[in-house]
Amino acid sequence: SAVISQKPSRDICQRGTSLTIQCQVDSQVTMMFWYRQQPGQSLTLIATANQGSEATYESGFVIDKFPISRPNLTFSTLTVSNMSPEDSSIYLCSAGGTSRYNEQFFGPGTRLTVL
Amino acid sequence: AQKVTQAQTEISVVEKEDVTLDCVYETRDTTYYLFWYKQPPSGELVFLIRRNSFDEQNEISGRYSWNFQKSTSSFNFTITASQVVDSAVYFCALSGSGSARQLTFGSGTQLTVLP
Repeated sequence: SAVISQKPSRDICQRGTSLTIQCQVDSQVTMMFWYRQQPGQSLTLIATANQGSEATYESGFVIDKFPISRPNLTFSTLTVSNMSPEDSSIYLCSAGGTSRYNEQFFGPGTRLTVL
Repeated sequence: AQKVTQAQTEISVVEKEDVTLDCVYETRDTTYYLFWYKQPPSGELVFLIRRNSFDEQNEISGRYSWNFQKSTSSFNFTITASQVVDSAVYFCALSGSGSARQLTFGSGTQLTVLP
C-alpha cells in the first residue's frame, strides 16, 4: 500500500487569498487525484493530476480556480485560488495505479476554513 | 455515467447489535470496482475493502462482512457485534475499468454506536 502525506493538515485563510496544498506519496504511482469534501457532504473529484501534462478537470472545476501541478510520480500540489467562504472544505489527495487491484489510498486531508 | 446510492443517511444502534449499511450502484461498465471506506471523526479516509465486478464471492474480515449481488447492483456492508469505535461515516464508492480509475462516492452513512 502507498502512504500519502499532505501539508498543511489544516489552515484558516482570508477571503481573496490562495493556498497551495502539497501531496507526497512514498512510492511512485501512476494516478493521483484531488477530491473536495464540503462540510457534511461526500467526496467530489476535482481533477486527475497527470504527470508531465495538464490536469484533467471534472465538470464544475476549472484550472484558474484550482491549478494543479504534478512534476513527478510521487508529488502533486493543488492550489485553491482567490478563496471565498464557499471553498471551506476538506481537500484530499489520493493515489493509485492501474493494476488489476485498482487500489486507491487517501491522504489525511487538509481542512481549509476561509473567513 | 456512474452513480452510487446510499439511502441511509444516519443509523444509530446500541453496542453489540449488528448493522447493515446499504449501497446500490449504477454503471455501464462491464468491469468495475466497488469500495468501502470509513471516515472517523478525525477525518481521514480508511480503506476497508475493494471488490471487482467479476468476483461475486462474499467476504468476511473479523466483524465485517460484505455481500456483493450483481443481480441487484448492491454491495452491502454488515458490522457484527458493533462497537463504539465503529462510529463513523461510511462511504461506498465505484470506479470503472478505464485508465483514469477515479472514484464515484455515495453520499455516506453516518453510523453511531451507542454504549
